[in-house]
Amino acid sequence: DIVMTQSPLSLHVTPGEPASISCRSSQSLLHANGHNYLDWYVQKPGQSPQLLIFLNSNRASGVPDRFSGSGSGTDFTLKISRVEAEDVGVYYCMQGLRVPFTFGPGTNVDI
Amino acid sequence: EVQLVESGGGLVQPGGSLRLSCAASGFTFSSYWMHWVRQVPGKGLVWVARINSDGTTTDYADFAKGRFTISRDNADNTLYLQINTLRAEDRAVYYCARFRAKSGHYAPAWGQGTLVTVSS
Repeated sequence: DIVMTQSPLSLHVTPGEPASISCRSSQSLLHANGHNYLDWYVQKPGQSPQLLIFLNSNRASGVPDRFSGSGSGTDFTLKISRVEAEDVGVYYCMQGLRVPFTFGPGTNVDI
Repeated sequence: EVQLVESGGGLVQPGGSLRLSCAASGFTFSSYWMHWVRQVPGKGLVWVARINSDGTTTDYADFAKGRFTISRDNADNTLYLQINTLRAEDRAVYYCARFRAKSGHYAPAWGQGTLVTVSS
């Protein structure tokens, strides 16, 4: 199975400041088609996971452009250019390359 | 609008069975591989199973092999998860999700989840 790790596991942020979360996979997520099968989700209290970024760097519909994803292979980063209060929640990375799909442990972001 | 709506969760006694449903709308259901993911309250996300677009191929997480059965009805745009011999550790929110179409197009979407509680 592909093991996903995240760092940090907890992140205290200041509104208006940038923030970033790192995600690492135990195997490359780069498919022969050129896509990295790495997604980012945020889960707010009492809600289901909401898709932020898919295929490493594609923002989902309705996601503010302050969120961006980058990386390739085994190392990925989610960046928030200017944190807003509504960004609090638990952020997960997920590999969708190979079953079993696996998730990082989550990064708890608070203000 | 893509919608995935789970139902069927609830309180079940240990050893009992449950069938979860996921009603899909807003997209061509029969074109997508479908998945179940679960989350113990307060814990992380765990992939459970997937089924291919025509229902002929299934894959399961190791813990799900033998007690869980994923199936689908493309005529009714519905995904199912049958869980037998329920254990306390099966208590979780179960989400249905789509990720990849049979064409290879990748477009994740998740439902809101249904809570399964196992207790006597």
